[in-house]
Amino acid sequence: EAGVVQSPRYKIIEKKQPVAFWCNPISGHNTLYWYLQNLGQGPELLIRYENEEAVDDSQLPKDRFSAERLKGVDSTLKIQPAELGDSAVYLCASSFGLHGGVSYNEQFFGPGTRLTVL
Amino acid sequence: GNSVTQMEGPVTLSEEAFLTINCTYTATGYPSLFWYVQYPGEGLQLLLKATKADDKGSNKGFEATYRKETTSFHLEKGSVQVSDSAVYFCAGGSNYKLTFGKGTLLTVNP
Repeated sequence: EAGVVQSPRYKIIEKKQPVAFWCNPISGHNTLYWYLQNLGQGPELLIRYENEEAVDDSQLPKDRFSAERLKGVDSTLKIQPAELGDSAVYLCASSFGLHGGVSYNEQFFGPGTRLTVL
Repeated sequence: GNSVTQMEGPVTLSEEAFLTINCTYTATGYPSLFWYVQYPGEGLQLLLKATKADDKGSNKGFEATYRKETTSFHLEKGSVQVSDSAVYFCAGGSNYKLTFGKGTLLTVNP
């Protein structure tokens, strides 16, 4: 079974340019997460989706970051415009979610997209 | 708010040495606790977990016990291998909200 797929793996852009990251979760996983991981730090949650609904976006900097999961499957995270401080690894994770009244919340992570803003 | 404090690295050991990586968690209530491992070039993988006090999580020779009185979840392995070289993250949370530590880089030399 395929794991969480992310693309691209690496992205280098100049500041003020837009950038987008794509994530395809494990098949059947209802819950999708986007995390930001700065160098030498642990991941920090940006947004969590339950199917197509963003249920926790409290840590997403909405002035420049946006995300969507239109059909409740794959998701895109966008930054516009990018700033130097956005250089980091962007991780996507998914979990099975709520089924039959039971929460299956073990998170499976993708390899991440390493963004460098020059 | 919630926080996770884990031992800073890097940690360098010889093969077959004993490993301990300390982790403590502060939060309201009693969260589930996790250890994730990140091998070079790969995503984070769940290594083990414990959902309540006195639970012991174990996997691949690694163990960690949820100590309620200190909300600690120290990772241990009796004999490390070169293949255990990776970054280890302690995390805690309830439901879908995880708080991660900064990670500890472990290097095991032959």
